[in-house]
Amino acid sequence: GAVVSQHPSRVICKSGTSVKIECRSLDFQATTMFWYRQFPKKSLMLMATSNEGSKATYEQGVEKDKFLINHASLTLSTLTVTSAHPEDSSFYICSARFGGSGETQYFGPGTRLLVL
Amino acid sequence: GDSVTQMEGPVTLSEEAFLTINCTYTATGYPSLFWYVQYPGEGLQLLLKATKADDKGSNKGFEATYRKETTSFHLEKGSVQVSDSAVYFCALSGGATNKLIFGTGTLLAVQP
Repeated sequence: GAVVSQHPSRVICKSGTSVKIECRSLDFQATTMFWYRQFPKKSLMLMATSNEGSKATYEQGVEKDKFLINHASLTLSTLTVTSAHPEDSSFYICSARFGGSGETQYFGPGTRLLVL
Repeated sequence: GDSVTQMEGPVTLSEEAFLTINCTYTATGYPSLFWYVQYPGEGLQLLLKATKADDKGSNKGFEATYRKETTSFHLEKGSVQVSDSAVYFCALSGGATNKLIFGTGTLLAVQP
């Protein structure tokens, strides 16, 4: 099956610093990648959708200048949380898809971010 | 817009009990339907999917049938194990939007 990796799996940073999270599709080319945020005991909240080589489309209420998304290749997308604050602490999950909207999304294992 | 409704949890069962987690959806067009499972501290894993009406998805003893007439995709397993304890998410894709629309998730706790 399709494998998606995320790095790092866990990160602790100081308030005001920036953190980059990588999402890679290991055995397929992802035409579209998605970034989600999950709060404790809650469902996933879609933050943004990115297509390779174009700007990400952000969901309403998600600050594009705070959550920078780059999808430079068909196998790599990055999410950078800029000037992180404690309220940004969360579980961030990426997913990748090859093909159209009816196709399966494959999820990464998630990155736990804790901002002190 | 498109939406997914699944039964509230937590669902607590004894080992070898029968499991049903209800899921209904609202969508335009002909969406694909999915069940994802999330084990503690991990990301989501695709459990099964169905892409058209009357399709049955199955994996690891779990199954769900795409019922267009009742707009449902209920998850069932005949005999649960402790290792099945996780959060289960019903989802749809390919309706009115490009997005994967999730239900709120159902926590399943299986006791020995």
